[in-house]
Amino acid sequence: NAGVTQTPKFQVLKTGQSMTLQCAQDMNHEYMSWYRQDPGMGLRLIHYSVGAGITDQGEVPNGYNVSRSTTEDFPLRLLSAAPSQTSVYFCASSRTSAAYEQYFGPGTRLTVT
Amino acid sequence: GENVEQHPSTLSVQEGDSAVIKCTYSDSASNYFPWYKQELGKRPQLIIDIRSNVGEKKDQRIAVTLNKTAKHFSLHITETQPEDSAVYFCAATSNQGAQKLVFGQGTRLTINP
Repeated sequence: NAGVTQTPKFQVLKTGQSMTLQCAQDMNHEYMSWYRQDPGMGLRLIHYSVGAGITDQGEVPNGYNVSRSTTEDFPLRLLSAAPSQTSVYFCASSRTSAAYEQYFGPGTRLTVT
Repeated sequence: GENVEQHPSTLSVQEGDSAVIKCTYSDSASNYFPWYKQELGKRPQLIIDIRSNVGEKKDQRIAVTLNKTAKHFSLHITETQPEDSAVYFCAATSNQGAQKLVFGQGTRLTINP
């Protein structure tokens, strides 16, 4: 199993541009989530999904959209990038939406200039 | 909502000594408390977790204790080794409907040879 994969690994955007961060898992996990990691602030939940077709907002959802059309994929869309969205983004998945281990992807380092 | 505070932000110990990292949480409904380790440039990985019906859990050199009354939990690492150097994150969730982890700010642990 590849586990949780993310693309791209690095990305530089200009303010106002849009892009999609890709996340996929091959473990048939129900639950998937997106976090951003900023220095001194830990990981903060952006959006999550408890199954295909079901998504909900986390702690810091503004400026981001998600969809879950399949169990495997959970893309994160930045609608109009802002410098405040410069961060490292991690996708994670868990067997169910209950409290179990979350498996993280390798991360995407995004810089918005 | 839940708020998790983690201390200290940095910790330096001599190889072979013990290290303790403490977290407090605000939501008395929280019932799942994982600890993640993140090595430099890598993804977070679960090292140990505890549920609210248990006061202590051990796994070799790592242990976690939970005090529900005081709403705090701690990570204990004994006989520290250079490979324990990393950033450690605590987290909490009430698992009401879906797992929404709230992370602490992180502790950078350095093991000095």
